[in-house]
Amino acid sequence: NAGVTQTPKFQVLKTGQSMTLQCAQDMNHEYMSWYRQDPGMGLRLIHYSVGAGITDQGEVPNGYNVSRSTTEDFPLRLLSAAPSQTSVYFCASSYSSGDAEKLFFGSGTQLSVL
Amino acid sequence: SQQGEEDPQALSIQEGENATMNCSYKTSINNLQWYRQNSGRGLVHLILIRSNEREKHSGRLRVTLDTSKKSSSLLITASRAADTASYFCATENLSGSRLTFGEGTQLTVNP
Repeated sequence: NAGVTQTPKFQVLKTGQSMTLQCAQDMNHEYMSWYRQDPGMGLRLIHYSVGAGITDQGEVPNGYNVSRSTTEDFPLRLLSAAPSQTSVYFCASSYSSGDAEKLFFGSGTQLSVL
Repeated sequence: SQQGEEDPQALSIQEGENATMNCSYKTSINNLQWYRQNSGRGLVHLILIRSNEREKHSGRLRVTLDTSKKSSSLLITASRAADTASYFCATENLSGSRLTFGEGTQLTVNP
């Protein structure tokens, strides 16, 4: 199993550009989520999904869209990139949401918005 | 706002010493988890303790949970240089829909 795969690993955008961060998992996990990691702020939840066709907002959803058309994929879209979205983005999944489920993380996407 | 706050922010010890990291949180939880992150990598799950448990062990790791004080501690015994990493606590909310992370403790183990 590859686990959780994120692409690209690095990306530089100009303000106002849009892009999609890809996330795929091959573990048949129902729960998938996106976090951003900023220095001194830990990881903050952007959006999450408890199954195909179901998504919900996390702590910092503004400026981001998600969809979940398949169990395997959970792309994160930046609609109009802003310098404040410069961060490291992590996708994570677990078998299901609920008690005692640990998250499996991808290796991250480092995004810079100029 | 962050659910978990970790203390200390940074910790530097010698190989063979024990390392203790603390986590405090604000609201009721289902469980508390500890994760490790090596520089430039994703997080890796270390250990989970449920809200009705007080202590749990896994190899050189010992986790305690005090729900009355809303706090947890992670003890790494007989530390090794390879333990150098950032350690994060994460709390699962009562509905089980999300895991909220603290800001992390940067541990450096000097050979």
